[in-house]
Amino acid sequence: EVQLLESGGGLVQPGGSLRLSCVTSGFTFHKYSMTWVRLAPGKGLEWVSSLSGSGGSSQYADSVKGRFTISRDNSKNTLYLQINSLRVEDTAVYYCVKFGAVGFLDPQPFDFWGQGTLVTVSP
Amino acid sequence: AIQMTQSPSSLSASVGDRVTITCRASQDIGNDLGWYQLKPGKAPNLLIYAASYLESGVPSRFSGSRSGTDFTLTISSLQPEDFATYYCLQDYKYPLAFGGGTKVEIK
Repeated sequence: EVQLLESGGGLVQPGGSLRLSCVTSGFTFHKYSMTWVRLAPGKGLEWVSSLSGSGGSSQYADSVKGRFTISRDNSKNTLYLQINSLRVEDTAVYYCVKFGAVGFLDPQPFDFWGQGTLVTVSP
Repeated sequence: AIQMTQSPSSLSASVGDRVTITCRASQDIGNDLGWYQLKPGKAPNLLIYAASYLESGVPSRFSGSRSGTDFTLTISSLQPEDFATYYCLQDYKYPLAFGGGTKVEIK
């Protein structure tokens, strides 16, 4: 059974930093590209970043480029999102998401999502 | 960047109703579109991929179709567990883009 378990969210002041983690199980982690998606209060889903299975290639939304860094540790089956220079508008539930098929970083449907971790940015 | 325009943003329907939700892509994305269901406090769920393919385990009352750059999610007979928010996602190229969402509420 595929499981994705996010952690690391919390309350942080503007300008602060957090590192989100997503521990995975139930699939061959290093073969799959992974993604972070967020859902802000009262807003819709927003794609944040994707990372290839090897960790060598990544993509970012313009809204987070230069502030967020996606990474992974394939020995620990874990995906990360380092979020720096946080803004109030980064307040959201952050979901860890698995691509549906083995491959490079080519876009694909998302077949499994975690339950999410809440990041709140407030003075 | 590709924009996804989803409509309506919300709708009220009764159990047993046929419900249709539409997404329009700002450019050709082929069949690279998926539909997702989101319920409060739960992990989102893939319903349809590649515009019209039903994800394993998803009830057959859900279906998807494409006409050019217009994509449609249809629920043939709305069930109580279907009250949720639905999103389309273009997975044609980066940056990936979701539609604005459609909240399906009980009439």
